[in-house]
Amino acid sequence: DAGITQSPRYKITETGRQVTLMCHQTWSHSYMFWYRQDLGHGLRLIYYSAAADITDKGEVPDGYVVSRSKTENFPLTLESATRSQTSVYFCASSEARGDGYTFGSGTRLTVV
Amino acid sequence: GQSLEQPSEVTAVEGAIVQINCTYQTSGFYGLSWYQQHDGGAPTFLSYNALDGLEETGRFSSFLSRSDSYGYLLLQELQMKDSASYFCAVRDEDQAGTALIFGKGTTLSVSS
Repeated sequence: DAGITQSPRYKITETGRQVTLMCHQTWSHSYMFWYRQDLGHGLRLIYYSAAADITDKGEVPDGYVVSRSKTENFPLTLESATRSQTSVYFCASSEARGDGYTFGSGTRLTVV
Repeated sequence: GQSLEQPSEVTAVEGAIVQINCTYQTSGFYGLSWYQQHDGGAPTFLSYNALDGLEETGRFSSFLSRSDSYGYLLLQELQMKDSASYFCAVRDEDQAGTALIFGKGTTLSVSS
């Protein structure tokens, strides 16, 4: 199916574990983004990518790592999860720099 | 840095008109966007204003005044299904206008 998909939808992990959230889009959009959403903070940019092998930090990148070896995939890795990383994570893509975003359905991550 | 201010909550009744304001501070302006997010769902793109004036899309309109660093989203003929959070966003000058920075969102509650 065409679109942008995130997996898993829900994840519970323990403090200190590494966890990877997946994001896959079928449109070959150049731009991809990761946001986290927390009550009282809205959507905050973690990392973004303008093309394969090009990534850059956003507002809140600490504790996260991204890669983009293929245009369609943009995984987000929490190297050593902390409770403060409990959040809903949204991946988004856009075809061109000024276009509106299409968001994935989100991953609800709980770190215990 | 950049900042966006919007009211945290707005309430209205079915059939009414509601305006959600957004003021922003940014030294490099690339346009103002609006997104809708239903509870438990993903944000969806509503509108984008790069130039001053009013853009209309069905029951929704968006306005921009660059000289006042101000915009608003106008929702007419409100329906119950319009109950959602609404986010204004500007493109981030720190990322050369590539990524969006979002306001904290306005929760709209529509009652019958």
